[in-house]
Amino acid sequence: GNSVTQMEGPVTLSEEAFLTINCTYTATGYPSLFWYVQYPGEGLQLLLKATKADDKGSNKGFEATYRKETTSFHLEKGSVQVSDSAVYFCALSDRGGSYIPTFGRGTSLIVHP
Amino acid sequence: NAGVTQTPKFQVLKTGQSMTLQCAQDMNHNSMYWYRQDPGMGLRLIYYSASEGTTDKGEVPNGYNVSRLNKREFSLRLESAAPSQTSVYFCASKEDIGELFFGEGSRLTVL
Repeated sequence: GNSVTQMEGPVTLSEEAFLTINCTYTATGYPSLFWYVQYPGEGLQLLLKATKADDKGSNKGFEATYRKETTSFHLEKGSVQVSDSAVYFCALSDRGGSYIPTFGRGTSLIVHP
Repeated sequence: NAGVTQTPKFQVLKTGQSMTLQCAQDMNHNSMYWYRQDPGMGLRLIYYSASEGTTDKGEVPNGYNVSRLNKREFSLRLESAAPSQTSVYFCASKEDIGELFFGEGSRLTVL
């Protein structure tokens, strides 16, 4: 079956630090990959996505590249802000016929001024 | 831009009471989902509906029932609430392998 593994948190950084949150996946088909963000007290919202190998998704200064050879989709940002403090979820949707998206457990990011 | 709308946003129940969480989406999506989110547990799928007229169990279906009323609406019912069902519930929808669109969540406390 499909699975998503992401690094456990919390990740604690100072403002303007470089961020990496690791995400690896296993899938039987050819998945689309997603990063969702959940701000305190809110629902999840899409941060970025990539639909095929070597695609790079980007939004709000965040980037992630779909690496089929390493089955990874790591999230990066060059300079984090306090407002980036949130929980980040890596997820996949499989073209193989399953209607069930697969989520990682989420990584909490805390950014200090 | 309503997207996915959930009601109620907050609810307090006593053990044994019943309630229904309502969810509606205005994006004409085929697939709809109910998740629960608990501290340290991530998102867990309760039930889903791949298309109008079908529903299937997810990871944690016990104690819940669902109804896909039409293409827009997907409700979640707790027949006899238990303290273990205290959680934040999210409804979501999507089309094919596209991204999920989530509601704002329903915060349920069972005393």
